[in-house]
Amino acid sequence: AQSVTQPDIHITVSEGASLELRCNYSYGATPYLFWYVQSPGQGLQLLLKYFSGDTLVQGIKGFEAEFKRSQSSFNLRKPSVHWSDAAEYFCAVGVLGSNDYKLSFGAGTTVTVRA
Amino acid sequence: NAGVMQNPRHLVRRRGQEARLRCSPMKGHSHVYWYRQLPEEGLKFMVYLQKENIIDESGMPKERFSAEFPKEGPSILRIQQVVRGDSAAYFCASSPMDFYEQYFGPGTRLTVT
Repeated sequence: AQSVTQPDIHITVSEGASLELRCNYSYGATPYLFWYVQSPGQGLQLLLKYFSGDTLVQGIKGFEAEFKRSQSSFNLRKPSVHWSDAAEYFCAVGVLGSNDYKLSFGAGTTVTVRA
Repeated sequence: NAGVMQNPRHLVRRRGQEARLRCSPMKGHSHVYWYRQLPEEGLKFMVYLQKENIIDESGMPKERFSAEFPKEGPSILRIQQVVRGDSAAYFCASSPMDFYEQYFGPGTRLTVT
């Protein structure tokens, strides 16, 4: 079964600084990969996704992520963080080409932005 | 185009009562997924449904939990005889047929007292 690891439980970053959130997955087949963001008490909003093609994908709110097959990673980055980026971020993986579309989620990384 | 709707947003039940959580997928979406989020944890898959069919319920507890997605109306996640350990946020997601991107609702936060 696929699994997703987000090694960092909590990250604090200064406003305007860069941000990188790590995500590692474990699965033999071709994965499809997502990053979601969850603000307190809210649902999940899709930031970006990777299915195939260019391994650097652009998302909303200035986020990007890079798929590295050799490292089984899909790290999320943002060059300059805004206070509104404080939230919890989840990496998720599914199995491309199967008939089962369920996603496996990492435990999440909480991002705190300090002024 | 309205997003995925879930109601109620907050639900309080006493131990032993039943909880019914509703999910209306986005218009045109025929796949529904239910996930549970326990405190300090990520989302865990529970069940995947298409209209009138349960496709995968491998994440559902064997007892007390059931889900349906009827031909008409919302998808329902039903928890019978709730216990304190059922307290969690329950999220519904939907996707179009044969498409991988899932859109999430705002969740129902169940508290069992």
